[in-house]
Amino acid sequence: DVKVTQSSRYLVKRTGEKVFLECVQDMDHENMFWYRQDPGLGLRLIYFSYDVKMKEKGDIPEGYSVSREKKERFSLILESASTNQTSMYLCASSATDQPQHFGDGTRLSIL
Amino acid sequence: SQQGEEDPQALSIQEGENATMNCSYKTSINNLQWYRQNSGRGLVHLILIRSNEREKHSGRLRVTLDTSKKSSSLLITASRAADTASYFCATDLTGANSKLTFGKGITLSVRP
Repeated sequence: DVKVTQSSRYLVKRTGEKVFLECVQDMDHENMFWYRQDPGLGLRLIYFSYDVKMKEKGDIPEGYSVSREKKERFSLILESASTNQTSMYLCASSATDQPQHFGDGTRLSIL
Repeated sequence: SQQGEEDPQALSIQEGENATMNCSYKTSINNLQWYRQNSGRGLVHLILIRSNEREKHSGRLRVTLDTSKKSSSLLITASRAADTASYFCATDLTGANSKLTFGKGITLSVRP
């Protein structure tokens, strides 16, 4: 079975901090994705990557950056955390033209 | 704007009944997928139907796709309390890198 592991289930940070969310997949998938999920808004794509060192903006990239130095790892970075970035963050991976596999999510609170 | 929109937003049924959920989308697609999310967890893929397919089955799940109406339905037969979850449809426009656009989801409650 594909395993997508997110480094933390719950995280509390302060406004202005630089926050790193890590995601690792074990199936050699080319594609990796970061979403945020908010009540009433569904899942919104922040960034995705289709190869090492490649990244593309999703629908809501503002305030975020990503890093993919190795194929199995995709990091989401909040450059200067703000309270409106409090959310559930979901990482996913997939092979091309195949379903996405999700991690269990990180519930991030910015105080 | 959302590519995929589910209907209804919430559904409550008795155990043993069938649950039907609908999804409409706006532009041509490569495939459409349904996912399930239990409370506080990540999404789990249920079924993928390609644009040249009309119906697909997986266990108690049946998915249909009508590309002329740009709509899909997910039918769960003989529902169980354990089917209580949120269900999302997602569209893949190109298949090139599996990028999906998700709807806002349907909350299904199955009463024991």
